[in-house]
Amino acid sequence: SQKIEQNSEALNIQEGKTATLTCNYTNYSPAYLQWYRQDPGRGPVFLLLIRENEKEKRKERLKVTFDTTLKQSLFHITASQPADSATYLCALGGNAGNMLTFGGGTRLMVKP
Amino acid sequence: EPEVTQTPSHQVTQMGQEVILRCVPISNHLYFYWYRQILGQKVEFLVSFYNNEISEKSEIFDDQFSVERPDGSNFTLKIRSTKLEDSAMYFCASSEASSYGDEQYFGPGTRLTVT
Repeated sequence: SQKIEQNSEALNIQEGKTATLTCNYTNYSPAYLQWYRQDPGRGPVFLLLIRENEKEKRKERLKVTFDTTLKQSLFHITASQPADSATYLCALGGNAGNMLTFGGGTRLMVKP
Repeated sequence: EPEVTQTPSHQVTQMGQEVILRCVPISNHLYFYWYRQILGQKVEFLVSFYNNEISEKSEIFDDQFSVERPDGSNFTLKIRSTKLEDSAMYFCASSEASSYGDEQYFGPGTRLTVT
């Protein structure tokens, strides 16, 4: 069955450092992968989309890579700030219309 | 900035009762979705809706669930006879569908508690 794995343990980093979050998947051939941010009790907020034929995408302090051979995406936040503290979700899509299949998320804590 | 809105923010209901969760998607969007998130678990896809009909649905979306777009602005999820395990946060989302894999805009959610 399809499986999407994100590190369930919280990632604690110091302000100003680069945070790197991992999303691994099996039994899936997504056409695209998206990253969302979710704050407690709130809905996911879209951050970045990367398609299967793209290796890397950037947006301001955010960077995402997509390796379809390794079946892995890495999400980087450079110069992290306490305001970046949240849960980050990866979501795969493209096998069935626009439905998204989400990973369990990784909680990021940025300490001042 | 346009946003997806959902009402109510919190709904408490007794097991076996019907509930209707309401959503107003972003006005120029063409695809609409419902997802749910049980406390501490993943966000799970329920159903997508396009051109006034269901385009995909998950195994969770059984005969107890239905969706409707009763007018030009609202999009509703009905659970006919609620069960305890339906307790979750329900998120509505919409997307432009201008290209494959469009970003989805999520609403703030409705917390459904079934007692």
